[in-house]
Amino acid sequence: AQSVTQLGSHVSVSEGALVLLRCNYSSSVPPYLFWYVQYPNQGLQLLLKYTTGATLVKGINGFEAEFKKSETSFHLTKPSAHMSDAAEYFCAVSPPGAGSYQLTFGKGTKLSVIP
Amino acid sequence: EAGVVQSPRYKIIEKKQPVAFWCNPISGHNTLYWYRQNLGQGPELLIRYENEEAVDDSQLPKDRFSAERLKGVDSTLKIQPAELGDSAVYLCASSGAGTANTEAFFGQGTRLTVV
Repeated sequence: AQSVTQLGSHVSVSEGALVLLRCNYSSSVPPYLFWYVQYPNQGLQLLLKYTTGATLVKGINGFEAEFKKSETSFHLTKPSAHMSDAAEYFCAVSPPGAGSYQLTFGKGTKLSVIP
Repeated sequence: EAGVVQSPRYKIIEKKQPVAFWCNPISGHNTLYWYRQNLGQGPELLIRYENEEAVDDSQLPKDRFSAERLKGVDSTLKIQPAELGDSAVYLCASSGAGTANTEAFFGQGTRLTVV
């Protein structure tokens, strides 16, 4: 069985500061990894995903994440936070090849951006 | 292009009453998902359809939950009778034909409150 742990249910950063949201996974084989964002009263939107190949993945809105197999991590970063980044972020995992068919989500991290 | 449309957005019912949620996926998307998102948790898959066939309903509580996707387009998720623990946001998502790597697009969800 696969699982995802997101460290910190709530993260606050100042506008312009680095955003770092942590995600660790548990899987017997390297899985596919995803980050989704959920704005208030909205559905989830895919930020980026890792399947195979390059371990540094760039997504929308200036976010990127790096797959580190040795650390079983897939942390999400953005160099400079913007007010519009305030939202809830979900890390998800799926078995290799299963993609969207078998997503297991973490509990989410709510990001607040302080002016 | 319209995204995934769900209705109603909010629903309040008394326990033991029936309730139904409706989902209209993105046009042309063969795969449709229903997720449940409890407060403070990530979404959990309830059922996945490929066209009109339910191909993964292993997490659907079949004693009180049912779903249908007639003609392989719109879908309805029903709960009968509802229990207090069913209070959650019910999300519908859809993805296009092809592999599991096709991105899933989520609707805004239906927030159910059972009192």
